[in-house]
Amino acid sequence: DTGVSQNPRHKITKRGQNVTFRCDPISEHNRLYWYRQTLGQGPEFLTYFQNEAQLEKSRLLSDRFSAERPKGSFSTLEIQRTEQGDSAMYLCASSLAGGDLNEQFFGPGTRLTVL
Amino acid sequence: AQRVTQPEKLLSVFKGAPVELKCNYSYSGSPELFWYVQYSRQRLQLLLRHISRESIKGFTADLNKGETSFHLKKPFAQEEDSAMYYCALSKGTYKYIFGTGTRLKVLA
Repeated sequence: DTGVSQNPRHKITKRGQNVTFRCDPISEHNRLYWYRQTLGQGPEFLTYFQNEAQLEKSRLLSDRFSAERPKGSFSTLEIQRTEQGDSAMYLCASSLAGGDLNEQFFGPGTRLTVL
Repeated sequence: AQRVTQPEKLLSVFKGAPVELKCNYSYSGSPELFWYVQYSRQRLQLLLRHISRESIKGFTADLNKGETSFHLKKPFAQEEDSAMYYCALSKGTYKYIFGTGTRLKVLA
């Protein structure tokens, strides 16, 4: 499978714990995006990288959230001191800057449940 | 503020009937608009983009700047069209702003 992959697919944690998610984009894609989706809503933008540079962060991304993309390849999203309100599907997408009409390719998502 | 509105959470139609999924947007510049589809247990995937003016799986969508709309249409619905459909607006060349989605159910 050469598409975007995300791990883990599911994560259950207790309130106050830290969690980390990983996203592996399509290999030649230099842009990588994180979105969050809660029940009944569309995906909401969190942050995006071009290569290793984090170029924009949404106001949704509180200080407890941090994302990295070392070496411009895979990315990690860490949530510290999780809260029940963090329960959501976390989606990763990638695209090729200057590529075909800004199409973003999505991963299967990581579903986080905070108890 | 940029916004995408999909007024219908659920749309049920009979097989063979026409389908129109509504999408309205609010954006001050020149938007790039997309329709994404999510079939059961699958990931989000691109269905259409306005700039291509193409027809995919019988679906078309026309950008109407006067009405700020990008409705998705298909003349004859098929059962395999049942899915969640999201309209999205792209700011510049990066992040998407999604609508809340419309679940389409095509009844036999």
